[in-house]
Amino acid sequence: KAGVTQTPRYLIKTRGQQVTLSCSPISGHRSVSWYQQTPGQGLQFLFEYFSETQRNKGNFPGRFSGRQFSNSRSEMNVSTLELGDSALYLCASSLVPQGGQTFFGQGTRLTVV
Amino acid sequence: DQQVKQNSPSLSVQEGRISILNCDYTNSMFDYFLWYKKYPAEGPTFLISISSIKDKNEDGRFTVFLNKSAKHLSLHIVPSQPGDSAVYFCAATGRTGTASKLTFGTGTRLQVTL
Repeated sequence: KAGVTQTPRYLIKTRGQQVTLSCSPISGHRSVSWYQQTPGQGLQFLFEYFSETQRNKGNFPGRFSGRQFSNSRSEMNVSTLELGDSALYLCASSLVPQGGQTFFGQGTRLTVV
Repeated sequence: DQQVKQNSPSLSVQEGRISILNCDYTNSMFDYFLWYKKYPAEGPTFLISISSIKDKNEDGRFTVFLNKSAKHLSLHIVPSQPGDSAVYFCAATGRTGTASKLTFGTGTRLQVTL
């Protein structure tokens, strides 16, 4: 079956703009999490959604937001982009929240200039 | 506060030898641990996991050991192959509170040399 799909794969934005990233989880998976990966920081948890509800949130400013739709697809939005937001954004899906194996998409590489 | 730590940012091992990647955690509420492998420009790929009720789990060339009293886990790769060269992340999760999200270490870059 298809894996976790993230779009777009690459994105270049300028400071101050906003961006929306999309994630389609594995079919049947209802939990979607988002992570930010920057060099030296590993994977930093952004938030997790399950059944259209945000279940958990990491330590990121309010400029980072997300949502989940009834078909489990998820979007994350970053407003007022800063240079430090340049990173690889990874989406992960699992059957249930933090339920065992979590599968990752290939990520969206965002560059803010 | 880094609840999951991988203190070795890099490791170089000769092909055919054993690779040992280490991970320490601080949150006693973690009860499920996973290892992921990541190639550049790709998302992490699940490798192997272990529940806190076990102290060892084996899958082919990969074995994960868990020492709950020391809050330490390790991934053994035997024998190491050049295709194993990647960044390895350990992750931990639990059922409640601060442990209820998947928390990752900062990764260890493994280089398997010929």
